[in-house]
Amino acid sequence: GESVGLHLPTLSVQEGDNSIINCAYSNSASDYFIWYKQESGKGPQFIIDIRSNMDKRQGQRVTVLLNKTVKHLSLQIAATQPGDSAVYFCAENRNAGNMLTFGGGTRLMVKP
Amino acid sequence: DTGVSQDPRHKITKRGQNVTFRCDPISEHNRLYWYRQTLGQGPEFLTYFQNEAQLEKSRLLSDRFSAERPKGSFSTLEIQRTEQGDSAMYLCASSPDRIVEKLFFGSGTQLSVL
Repeated sequence: GESVGLHLPTLSVQEGDNSIINCAYSNSASDYFIWYKQESGKGPQFIIDIRSNMDKRQGQRVTVLLNKTVKHLSLQIAATQPGDSAVYFCAENRNAGNMLTFGGGTRLMVKP
Repeated sequence: DTGVSQDPRHKITKRGQNVTFRCDPISEHNRLYWYRQTLGQGPEFLTYFQNEAQLEKSRLLSDRFSAERPKGSFSTLEIQRTEQGDSAMYLCASSPDRIVEKLFFGSGTQLSVL
């Protein structure tokens, strides 16, 4: 499949280490945030979401942190595995549920 | 497979030709979205439907683009008189009424305009 994100910021981590992917958003009125994982040739796959009334939400091996003061979102992946290698996008709901607006993406590379 | 389905996966066409893509959303999802993604970028919103009604269109959706969802189930996206700048991945997504913001994406249609 065709590669996604040839010129994206890249985070390279060792297998087994924790990964932190960061995202800044611009609209203080955004009330819903979501992280997607996109593998080459595939559509974005849902990872985890969070609403603005929360600061932290945990899933299986993933945690999303939301800092509304500085408009910053992060995705933490515990014990990163080779299968986690992909491009990760954050997205925000800016318009009361009508659409998601995506950030530019970060490529995660996991070294075995 | 109960996910969002898109067809075709790949389309190569010559400049000036018309192309049509199809999307079948998750069956119980009333909202259906079209996004476009170019290399190195996140998906960009094009349009969305609530059942059969097209409720919003992006400025990115020029007059050459038209989308339909006639029966509130599958949707088609047509591009007329394609241009090289139309080359991109066209993604379809659907969402449930319960969490309208949570989009589930298909694998996309990769369009190459020669």
